[in-house]
Amino acid sequence: DAMVIQNPRYQVTQFGKPVTLSCSQTLNHNVMYWYQQKSSQAPKLLFHYYDKDFNNEADTPDNFQSRRPNTSFCFLDIRSPGLGDAAMYLCATSRDLAGGNNEQFFGPGTRLTVL
Amino acid sequence: LAKTTQPISMDSYEGQEVNITCSHNNIATNDYITWYQQFPSQGPRFIIQGYKTKVTNEVASLFIPADRKSSTLSLPRVSLSDTAVYYCLVGDTTGGFKTIFGAGTRLFVKA
Repeated sequence: DAMVIQNPRYQVTQFGKPVTLSCSQTLNHNVMYWYQQKSSQAPKLLFHYYDKDFNNEADTPDNFQSRRPNTSFCFLDIRSPGLGDAAMYLCATSRDLAGGNNEQFFGPGTRLTVL
Repeated sequence: LAKTTQPISMDSYEGQEVNITCSHNNIATNDYITWYQQFPSQGPRFIIQGYKTKVTNEVASLFIPADRKSSTLSLPRVSLSDTAVYYCLVGDTTGGFKTIFGAGTRLFVKA
C-alpha cells in the first residue's frame, strides 16, 4: 500500500545534541510537510517542500532545518534540541497545494523526547 | 488568512448522528474546507473536503452554506471508535500557501 513512513517512531536525544528525523513516501506526491504537535495541541506547520522548493513558516525557529534530497524522502534536522522541542513530529504529503488536490496524507509521527 | 473556530469538545452516544460546526468568517474565494480526524498517538487522517453546498462520502457529509462562512461535519450513527479529535482546515495558495490547524473538537462517544 502507498503510504507515508516515518522513522524512528520514538527518538530520545540529549539537550543540545543534533537529531534527524526521517520521512519517506510511496505516493509520489509533490508536496511534503513537517508539523510539530505538542501534547493536547493542534499540529503546527514548520515548513513544506513543493518539489524542491522549500517554504519555511515565519515563526519556525532557526533550530529547525529540512532537506529533501529526492521526491521520496524528507528529513527534519533539529540542530540543538531544547526541552521545549519535545513533541510529536508529523510528516505529511499531498499531491498539490491547490484546493481540491491538497488532501494531506500523514505518517504515524515520531515522538521526540529530549533529556 | 482564514481562521477557524470550533467547539472544544462534544459528547455523544453510540448510534447518534453528530454534527460539528466550524466557523470561518474570513474564508477566501479560493479556499477549500477540509476536515481531519486524529486518534491519540497517530497522525491526522483526511475525512472529507468541500468547496460549497454538500459533499458526502462513505464516512461523513459536509454541509457548506451559500456564504461559506461556516461548515458542518456530519457523522452518521457514531460508534465508540469515532472518539477522536476533529480538525477543520481552511486554506488555499492565494498569496502564498498556508495551512493552519484550528484547535480541533474533541468528540467523546459513550456507550
